[in-house]
Amino acid sequence: GDSVTQMEGPVTLSEEAFLTINCTYTATGYPSLFWYVQYPGEGLQLLLKATKADDKGSNKGFEATYRKETTSFHLEKGSVQVSDSAVYFCALINTGTASKLTFGTGTRLQVTL
Amino acid sequence: DSGVTQTPKHLITATGQRVTLRCSPRSGDLSVYWYQQSLDQGLQFLIHYYNGEERAKGNILERFSAQQFPDLHSELNLSSLELGDSALYFCASSAGGQGPYEQYFGPGTRLTVT
Repeated sequence: GDSVTQMEGPVTLSEEAFLTINCTYTATGYPSLFWYVQYPGEGLQLLLKATKADDKGSNKGFEATYRKETTSFHLEKGSVQVSDSAVYFCALINTGTASKLTFGTGTRLQVTL
Repeated sequence: DSGVTQTPKHLITATGQRVTLRCSPRSGDLSVYWYQQSLDQGLQFLIHYYNGEERAKGNILERFSAQQFPDLHSELNLSSLELGDSALYFCASSAGGQGPYEQYFGPGTRLTVT
């Protein structure tokens, strides 16, 4: 079945540092890929998405590129802020089978001053 | 604010009891999804309804059931509750049925079974 693998957390960075959170996936067909963010005590917010190979999703300074050859969708940000501290989830929808989201385990990011 | 509402925000109940969680999708969205978030299982898909009809089932226990009403709100019913059912339950909505539609999540209902 479909699966998403994320790097283990927590990730601790100083403010203005560069962020990479690795995400790889296994899926048949051509899935769409998403990053969601969960702030403490809140629900999940869609951060960005990409629906086909080589697409780049971007939002609020975050970027991720859909790499079919390496089945990856790594999340990057050039300069993190304390307000970016949250849990980040990589997810996919495999339109060949169903429209449910399959999530990774989440990566907690802690940004300090 | 995603536009998806869930009630109640918190629920504390005893083992063996039954509870109902309610979800109202974003205006215009026809699909409702339910997910369970727990420390040991992570985020798991439970069930998907589109315009009143069940479209897909995931890891949903037989003690759990759901429905979507004509006004498109949805309810998730959990019965014969066990300690292991304690979790965050999220509802999400999207515009379409099957496809890579963006799903917008509500704030969740935190269920504690004692």
